Amino acid sequence: QVQLVESGGGVVQPGGSLRLSCAASGFNFNNYAMHWVRQAPGRGLEWVAIISYEGSKRYYRDSVKGRFTVSRDSSNTLYLEMNNVRPDDTALYYCAKVRGIFWFEKELSPDFWGQGTLVTVSP
Amino acid sequence: QSALTQPPSVSGSPGQSVTISCAGTTTDVGGYNYVSWYQQRPGKAPKLMIYDVTERPSGVPARFSGSKSGNTASLTISGLQTEDEADYYCCSYAGTYSFVFGSGTTVTVL
Repeated sequence: QVQLVESGGGVVQPGGSLRLSCAASGFNFNNYAMHWVRQAPGRGLEWVAIISYEGSKRYYRDSVKGRFTVSRDSSNTLYLEMNNVRPDDTALYYCAKVRGIFWFEKELSPDFWGQGTLVTVSP
Repeated sequence: QSALTQPPSVSGSPGQSVTISCAGTTTDVGGYNYVSWYQQRPGKAPKLMIYDVTERPSGVPARFSGSKSGNTASLTISGLQTEDEADYYCCSYAGTYSFVFGSGTTVTVL
């Protein structure tokens, strides 16, 4: 069955860096684009980034552009490199696979989600 | 990238129907038929309930249905059950491979 397991969260100071990981199994990871979505404590879901199935295309929400980098590798792992973090980046970060294979707009909505990893930005 | 607008809460008795609205603009909900809905129970990850406005993934009960008119999408739960009590979020494609979520709605079963 599909499994997504996030890790790497923790407490980081403003201006610091953190790398999140998402280990995927139970599906052909190399055929699916992947999302990062976050949820601040007690708040709603917020889309963060998407990476294409082969890693060549990456898109971000405006507030993280230039600070966050999404990547993936052949070990079935998705990453989110977070630099120059701010207090408003504090959230539970989820990875999610898209619905369909390859890269079609119609099939890029998030499908299955991991359980999330918590990032807290605090002095 | 402003959040789509949902009512903070809706409620109904078991067996009743409730509808959650999701208001966007012509650049997201109104511009594409790629609206999805997610159910999130406390402390749990979101679960896909509806995709492409009206489509239901296998395993999702038929009492969940979706629709769209203009810039507003809707999720209807017919025959409300106690296990439907949760937060619900809409999500729309917003062009250039970006997405936007709704503000979320808490469904309470009275």
